[in-house]
Amino acid sequence: DAGVTQTPRHEVAEKGQTIILKCEPVSGHNDLFWYRQTKIQGLELLSYFRSKSLMEDGGAFKDRFKAEMLNSSFSTLKIQPTEPKDSAVYLCASSLENTGQLYFGEGSKLTVL
Amino acid sequence: SQWGEENLQALSIQEGEDVTMNCSYKTYTTVVQWYRQKSGKGPAQLILIRSNEREKRSGRLRATLDTSSQSSSLSITGTLATDTAVYFCSNSAGNKLTFGIGTRVLVRP
Repeated sequence: DAGVTQTPRHEVAEKGQTIILKCEPVSGHNDLFWYRQTKIQGLELLSYFRSKSLMEDGGAFKDRFKAEMLNSSFSTLKIQPTEPKDSAVYLCASSLENTGQLYFGEGSKLTVL
Repeated sequence: SQWGEENLQALSIQEGEDVTMNCSYKTYTTVVQWYRQKSGKGPAQLILIRSNEREKRSGRLRATLDTSSQSSSLSITGTLATDTAVYFCSNSAGNKLTFGIGTRVLVRP
């Protein structure tokens, strides 16, 4: 079975641009998560979907970050407008409901100049 | 973090040695998981231990959970160079995991 697929693996953006990161979860998984990873803060939850419904939108990340899940096999994370402090690795993960185990993609490394 | 926490550590050990890393958490949890992240990859689950278990083993891995002190440990015996990675503990509210900062382990060949 294919794991979680994230694209692009690397993205370089100018400050103020809009970027869209994509994620395909493991087939059949009904929970999907977006995390941001930095050396200082570690893994921070941005968004959490269950069966395509947004369960949590990450509080502090609301204003410029928007995650969507239009179908069960595809999710996007839009950052608009980007700022240099958004430079990080963005990880997508999926899981089966109530199993507790997350399967992560390899991440999208974003650099904002 | 309110949940799983490790003090950020960097450990450098020789291949073949054993290593133990610790994690503490502040809120009630029913499950603690340990994940490993190799360079350029996403985290991958190593072991899951539930609140009714004190110890769990998987190959060279051993996890412990002490609910009274709200702490967990992960031990790796006979480390290999391929164990070089960052190790995270996490605890969960339902399916939503919160992660600690991680422990960076370098295993020298």
